[in-house]
Amino acid sequence: QLQLQESGPGLVKPSETLSLTCTVSGGSITSSSYYWGWIRQPPGKGLEWIGSIYYSGGPYYNPSLKSRVTVSVDRSKNEFSLNLSSVTAADTAVYYCARQADTSMYERFDHWGQGTLVTVSS
Amino acid sequence: DIQMTQSPSTLSASVGDRVTITCRASQSISIWLAWYQQKPGRAPKLLIYKASSLESGVPSRFSGSGSGTEFTLTISSLQPDDFATYYCQQYKSYSTFGQGSKVEIK
Repeated sequence: QLQLQESGPGLVKPSETLSLTCTVSGGSITSSSYYWGWIRQPPGKGLEWIGSIYYSGGPYYNPSLKSRVTVSVDRSKNEFSLNLSSVTAADTAVYYCARQADTSMYERFDHWGQGTLVTVSS
Repeated sequence: DIQMTQSPSTLSASVGDRVTITCRASQSISIWLAWYQQKPGRAPKLLIYKASSLESGVPSRFSGSGSGTEFTLTISSLQPDDFATYYCQQYKSYSTFGQGSKVEIK
């Protein structure tokens, strides 16, 4: 069964870069040509898509975050990563990694990690 | 950008009630809409995709309808496990979620 697990620091200082990794198990990140994405949820608020990437590269991002986001994939480690630069308190959120169902660029998310809380504070 | 607006934000209902949640898109998204259920401290769970297709393993009391700019999620007979927050997501262009609709116990 496909499983996704987020990892990374739970506390990041303002103006620094938030870095998270999503490790995929129970299946290969390169199988069936799926896209993989990051979504976040500030405490008590709704969901916001951050960005997604194809197994072979070619990331695309939420236009509102594009200037600060980088998503990359490491096929050898079966994982993909998120970097969000110049963070502020507004970036405090639970960050989820997820798989996009089917093989289209824009898709629903059918498998999710459990999420990891990242707090931005000095 | 495509904006998604859900209503109501909160809904009080009893076990056995028929519940309907609406999601409106700021422009036509055809049928490229999904619905999710989220419980506190948990990741969202996919319920419906392509506006009306039921995800595998999801109870048949959940159904979705609509196309273009207006969509609904219906729970035919609310069960204790269904008290949660529900989100719609458009995936016509990039991805945008609605603000959520919380179904609470009346």
